[in-house]
Amino acid sequence: EPEVTQTPSHQVTQMGQEVILRCVPISNHLYFYWYRQILGQKVEFLVSFYNNEISEKSEIFDDQFSVERPDGSNFTLKIRSTKLEDSAMYFCASEGFKETQYFGPGTRLLVL
Amino acid sequence: DQQVKQNSPSLSVQEGRISILNCDYTNSMFDYFLWYKKYPAEGPTFLISISSIKDKNEDGRFTVFLNKSAKHLSLHIVPSQPGDSAVYFCAASVGGSARQLTFGSGTQLTVLP
Repeated sequence: EPEVTQTPSHQVTQMGQEVILRCVPISNHLYFYWYRQILGQKVEFLVSFYNNEISEKSEIFDDQFSVERPDGSNFTLKIRSTKLEDSAMYFCASEGFKETQYFGPGTRLLVL
Repeated sequence: DQQVKQNSPSLSVQEGRISILNCDYTNSMFDYFLWYKKYPAEGPTFLISISSIKDKNEDGRFTVFLNKSAKHLSLHIVPSQPGDSAVYFCAASVGGSARQLTFGSGTQLTVLP
């Protein structure tokens, strides 16, 4: 069964460094998302992406965040200058035609 | 932000019995609801969904009920199995594709053998 994959599974970085989280959505899906879950908190929406542009973004998704679909398969989330509070699980999701989002296994980001 | 609430942080059920997980929402614009299951260190796994035009959707052991007037949905698992032990999240969205999901805080279900 097709699934969303994410790399790396874990990332440790120093505050102020840039990180890129990578996702390979399910083939033929059209809509792509990033969510995050800070430890002990709810899963929170960051951004949705369709037709090579951002469809919707939350207040969390400020200027330090960006998303890109550099080729036909990858979908990336870049955090330009990481902060301690960016430490979280980051989930990528993709959606086809049935309004159902399928999630990847997540990347655990730890900012020191 | 408490638009989607799961008021029970945990639930324990005997194997073979019914598990009922509840979810309340406040935003009357929500028109699509989903349940996800999550194991530790994994991403949410889609279980079942329901559109606001329906009041029930069934898929195998899983049934979701939607009561729009009460702004309440529930997930029934019958019969419960030990492998069902996980955190269950309800989520809701407004208006179609490329829309953000708003998640509840989750309910830890433990199915006892």
